[in-house]
Amino acid sequence: KAGVTQTPRYLIKTRGQQVTLSCSPISGHRSVSWYQQTPGQGLQFLFEYFSETQRNKGNFPGRFSGRQFSNSRSEMNVSTLELGDSALYLCASSVRGGLPYGYTFGSGTRLTVV
Amino acid sequence: AQTVTQSQPEMSVQEAETVTLSCTYDTSENNYYLFWYKQPPSRQMILVIRQEAYKQQNATENRFSVNFQKAAKSFSLKISDSQLGDTAMYFCALGDGGSNYKLTFGKGTLLTVNP
Repeated sequence: KAGVTQTPRYLIKTRGQQVTLSCSPISGHRSVSWYQQTPGQGLQFLFEYFSETQRNKGNFPGRFSGRQFSNSRSEMNVSTLELGDSALYLCASSVRGGLPYGYTFGSGTRLTVV
Repeated sequence: AQTVTQSQPEMSVQEAETVTLSCTYDTSENNYYLFWYKQPPSRQMILVIRQEAYKQQNATENRFSVNFQKAAKSFSLKISDSQLGDTAMYFCALGDGGSNYKLTFGKGTLLTVNP
């Protein structure tokens, strides 16, 4: 069974640009969550989608957005990139919403903003 | 608001020995779940063990076990017979049983297993 696939693994972007990250969940998983991981702030929740609906959003500016497609694949977009957006972005999937069995994570996309 | 605190930024242990990683949390929910995740240099977060708050019995998965103290809001991870492959960042995470569909993570503990 294939795991959670995130593409690309690495990205380098310039300040002011926008970026789109992709996540393909495990087959049959309908919930997809996104987390930002930085050395200073640790792991912070961005948003969660289930059946194409955003059910929760973390405390991030509106430059961070996401969506989920009918096949459960998800994308997140960051517009007007800032240096502080440099981070590892992790995607996680679960059957319904993670509890009680937890989430399965991908290997992340390392975004560097220069 | 939910919080998770891991007070040990780094720990080390000799191969084959036992080590305990600490985690405390705070939540106003009665129904919640606790998790330990491992993140090796490959970056992928791997679920190590989970605990349902309404269950008194401590969870065990092979060499990994937890000491869940609900009243004290403590959730420590014990790794027995440590192996070199256990070297990783370990994150404690809390998810409530309500409808916010998110995990709150601690800052992590970097565990190094020495040969």
